[in-house]
Amino acid sequence: GQQVMQIPQYQHVQEGEDFTTYCNSSTTLSNIQWYKQRPGGHPVFLIQLVKSGEVKKQKRLTFQFGEAKKNSSLHITATQTTDVGTYFCAGPGTNAGKSTFGDGTTLTVKP
Amino acid sequence: DTEVTQTPKHLVMGMTNKKSLKCEQHMGHRAMYWYKQKAKKPPELMFVYSYEKLSINESVPSRFSPECPNSSLLNLHLHALQPEDSALYLCASSQDYLNEQFFGPGTRLTVL
Repeated sequence: GQQVMQIPQYQHVQEGEDFTTYCNSSTTLSNIQWYKQRPGGHPVFLIQLVKSGEVKKQKRLTFQFGEAKKNSSLHITATQTTDVGTYFCAGPGTNAGKSTFGDGTTLTVKP
Repeated sequence: DTEVTQTPKHLVMGMTNKKSLKCEQHMGHRAMYWYKQKAKKPPELMFVYSYEKLSINESVPSRFSPECPNSSLLNLHLHALQPEDSALYLCASSQDYLNEQFFGPGTRLTVL
């Protein structure tokens, strides 16, 4: 079945450093979504990418969707303590299969 | 109203109890989901309702029984649970199936 793999599992950075998490799928994705879950909280939708090679920005966050629509990345420039949390990608298959969450990348930021 | 509400926030139950989790949304979303999330793990899909019909059941044990009384409400009935069922149960909704999902705050369930 479809698998969505995410790396790294954990990332510890100093405040001000950049951060990137990568998501790879075993199958082509019709779209990919990114969510953030703060400690003790629930997942909150960040963005959805649909087009091959798409790049979207939200302030310090840059999201990319690969040309083959099998991988995606989230890059945070100059991390802040408010960026702490676990970032999940989620991707449904092109056959409208179920949405599968990646294992997540947990980001900690040292002030 | 752009939120998904869930009750109760916390629930402790014995293995012989029957309880229900409730979820509500008033965003006019047509798809609603139940997820189970263990600590340090991603949400694991359990059920999907689309237009009030059960469209996906991820081989969930029958001790979990979903119900969608109307387009705004989603219930999860629990009976004869096991301690390993202790987890955070998240409800989510989306405009249509596979659109961006809005999650509720979850119910923290402990089975003794």
